[in-house]
Amino acid sequence: DVKVTQSSRYLVKRTGEKVFLECVQDMDHENMFWYRQDPGLGLRLIYFSYDVKMKEKGDIPEGYSVSREKKERFSLILESASTNQTSMYLCASSTTGNYGYTFGSGTRLTVV
Amino acid sequence: RKEVEQDPGPFNVPEGATVAFNCTYSNSASQSFFWYRQDCRKEPKLLMSVYSSGNEDGRFTAQLNRASQYISLLIRDSKLSDSATYLCVVNMASGGSYIPTFGRGTSLIVHP
Repeated sequence: DVKVTQSSRYLVKRTGEKVFLECVQDMDHENMFWYRQDPGLGLRLIYFSYDVKMKEKGDIPEGYSVSREKKERFSLILESASTNQTSMYLCASSTTGNYGYTFGSGTRLTVV
Repeated sequence: RKEVEQDPGPFNVPEGATVAFNCTYSNSASQSFFWYRQDCRKEPKLLMSVYSSGNEDGRFTAQLNRASQYISLLIRDSKLSDSATYLCVVNMASGGSYIPTFGRGTSLIVHP
């Protein structure tokens, strides 16, 4: 089974801190995605990557950046955390073709 | 206007009932479609892909209507364990690539 691992299940950070959320997948998937999920708003795409060192903005990239130095790892960076970035963050990966997406178990981030 | 729309529900049905969800999408160039299931405080998990000819997996049937731009999920003989949120996912064409776009989900509650 494809495994997508997110480094932390729960995180509490202070306003203004730089926050790193890590995601690692073990099945050589080309594509990786970062979403945030908020009640009533569903999953919203922050950034995605179709290859190493490649990144593209999703629907809500403001306040975030990403890094993909290795194929298996896709990091989400909150440059200066703010309270409105309190959310559930979900990483997903997929291979090319119509096979769907596999999610990590999520990181629930609280910014205080 | 959101690109992928679902009725949020909740759909409250007794055990053994048949229930159907629809999901509409706006981009006619959308390539592939999926239904995901998400339990409370868990990550989304792939339930089934949706093929043009329609497909069935046990009590679950998925259909695609490209002309009217919607997909549907039918659950027969509902079980208590079917209670969850059901997300439709549409791969939307965007600048030569395809990006997964999620509906906000339909909540299903199956009661005894």
